Amino acid sequence: EVQLVESGGGLVKPGGSLRLSCAASGFTFINAWMSWVRQAPGKGLEWVGRIKSKTDGGTTDYAVPLKGRFFISRDDSKNTLYLQVNSLKTEDTAVYYCTIEWVGDIFNWFDPWGQGTLVTVSS
Amino acid sequence: DIQMTQSPSSLSASVGDRVTIACRAGQSIGSYLNWYQQKPGKAPKLLMYGASTLQSGVPSRFSGSGSGTDFTLTISSLQPEDFATYYCQQSYSNPWTFGQGTKVEIK
Repeated sequence: EVQLVESGGGLVKPGGSLRLSCAASGFTFINAWMSWVRQAPGKGLEWVGRIKSKTDGGTTDYAVPLKGRFFISRDDSKNTLYLQVNSLKTEDTAVYYCTIEWVGDIFNWFDPWGQGTLVTVSS
Repeated sequence: DIQMTQSPSSLSASVGDRVTIACRAGQSIGSYLNWYQQKPGKAPKLLMYGASTLQSGVPSRFSGSGSGTDFTLTISSLQPEDFATYYCQQSYSNPWTFGQGTKVEIK
């Protein structure tokens, strides 16, 4: 069974930093493209960014407004995805989900999703 | 970025009703459109990809249609477990973008 388990969320002051983790199991993580998606309280879904598999270059892409503060990395030896968030702002308060980005012959989609980890930015 | 707009933002319906949710893209995206269902306090779940291909395990009462800029998610006969928020998402051009969501509530 595919499992994605996020951790690392919590309360942080504006300007602070946090590293979120996503522990993956039940699939071949080294071959997977992985994304982070966030959801502010009571709001919709916002794609944060993704990292490709190393065989596909291991490159990262980010939502434009988040570039420069958000950094995605992976440790394939630990089957773990990371999201480093710096210079946190109150508007970064959200549940952060990790998800597998499936790359089909034609289409891409997100499935499944972890349960999410809540990041609260407040003084 | 490609803007995705869903309508309505919310709707009230009864068990057994036929429900239709619309999603419009800011530019043509072919059939690069996915649908997700999210229940309160839970992670989103993939319903459909490629505008009309049902994900394995998703009941056949869900269907999707459309291409270009206009898409539709239809639930043929609403069941109690279908009350949730539904999101469309374009996979045509990175950065991936989502619609704002449509909340389906019990009438």
